[in-house]
Amino acid sequence: GESVGLHLPTLSVQEGDNSIINCAYSNSASDYFIWYKQESGKGPQFIIDIRSNMDKRQGQRVTVLLNKTVKHLSLQIAATQPGDSAVYFCAENIRAAGNKLTFGGGTRVLVKP
Amino acid sequence: EPEVTQTPSHQVTQMGQEVILRCVPISNHLYFYWYRQILGQKVEFLVSFYNNEISEKSEIFDDQFSVERPDGSNFTLKIRSTKLEDSAMYFCASRIQGLQEKLFFGSGTQLSVL
Repeated sequence: GESVGLHLPTLSVQEGDNSIINCAYSNSASDYFIWYKQESGKGPQFIIDIRSNMDKRQGQRVTVLLNKTVKHLSLQIAATQPGDSAVYFCAENIRAAGNKLTFGGGTRVLVKP
Repeated sequence: EPEVTQTPSHQVTQMGQEVILRCVPISNHLYFYWYRQILGQKVEFLVSFYNNEISEKSEIFDDQFSVERPDGSNFTLKIRSTKLEDSAMYFCASRIQGLQEKLFFGSGTQLSVL
């Protein structure tokens, strides 16, 4: 359910507009990145991933951009819909260090009708 | 679509009591994980499990924690003597061999230690 007291950056977007969610990662050795969506009362749901040898990857209505120079990751959602309202987490992985994901702090997206 | 199932969805316990959180990973998955999310904080890795043994664990996963795959379908996390700071949402995750990083998460168990 809702996490009272959770202070997340919030992005309010009008239905139909594009959303851009940003994430800064800390470890330059990370070689794999994932975006997860978490709706209220549910676990993280995989959206899209990207490997460090790429700088862009597109999915259905979503695009992930990776800028390794500044250690920045973004998720673009095209034509945002009410069902896109959720908390979005980026996660990074260093495959040589095992398959444990390191999650970012999350961004709450609120879609206004 | 197959999914990771966790029970119970909510667990309330007294400090010092033992709790067992249960998970049924996706049936053909071979790698299993527990993560937790303390209120207001990030999702944190606890432990990974493969071939009936722990592959990796974080510093959070101390001697009070244990994991087990008692049969072919269940994957459990046990906390022997719960502390107030164990209160969190605990997520189980699994993945299929070969798709290394794509983890499928369950809906979580909210553990409240009083």
